[in-house]
Amino acid sequence: GEDVEQSLFLSVREGDSSVINCTYTDSSSTYLYWYKQEPGAGLQLLTYIFSNMDMKQDQRLTVLLNKKDKHLSLRIADTQTGDSAIYFCAETTGTASKLTFGTGTRLQVTL
Amino acid sequence: EAQVTQNPRYLITVTGKKLTVTCSQNMNHEYMSWYRQDPGLGLRQIYYSMNVEVTDKGDVPEGYKVSRKEKRNFPLILESPSPNQTSLYFCASSPFGATGVSYNEQFFGPGTRLTVL
Repeated sequence: GEDVEQSLFLSVREGDSSVINCTYTDSSSTYLYWYKQEPGAGLQLLTYIFSNMDMKQDQRLTVLLNKKDKHLSLRIADTQTGDSAIYFCAETTGTASKLTFGTGTRLQVTL
Repeated sequence: EAQVTQNPRYLITVTGKKLTVTCSQNMNHEYMSWYRQDPGLGLRQIYYSMNVEVTDKGDVPEGYKVSRKEKRNFPLILESPSPNQTSLYFCASSPFGATGVSYNEQFFGPGTRLTVL
């Protein structure tokens, strides 16, 4: 079955690194995604990783995938106040017609 | 500007009064989907459509209907709304289905906040 879990809340100081974690149960995941939702807005894709990769770096963002443990993480370096948002991990499996989202992690960046 | 639009953005209604939330995209995307967002539950898929006249149930389809008569539009219909359908609703579209690969990046609308009294 498909179940994607995240911790609900993370608070970090500006300039520190943030690490948002996600666990999933479906071992047939093909792509895993990180979306960002700013207050009052829809979701926007931040980055993604294909299941045969274990790391992807994109500027301040680093995605780590541990397929054995079904664990995905998003690291944001030098976190800024503009990074305050809800972050969702998501996965597609099989035919990929269905996207399953996690519960979302609210990131609060303090000065 | 490439975008997904939803209307209305906010709606307060009463139990049993039929309503429709419209969704339109101008990116010529094959795939469209509806989600609801509830605190602590994340986003859950209601229905999706791979193309015109093709729709499928997501995880929480009960109490909802959709139609896909044109490629650009994918309305969500609540025939008899109930208070447990109070939620934040998002429409999304994706070029998935036309690309032949399993990558499914979705583009989201701004959301519709629905309250059913």
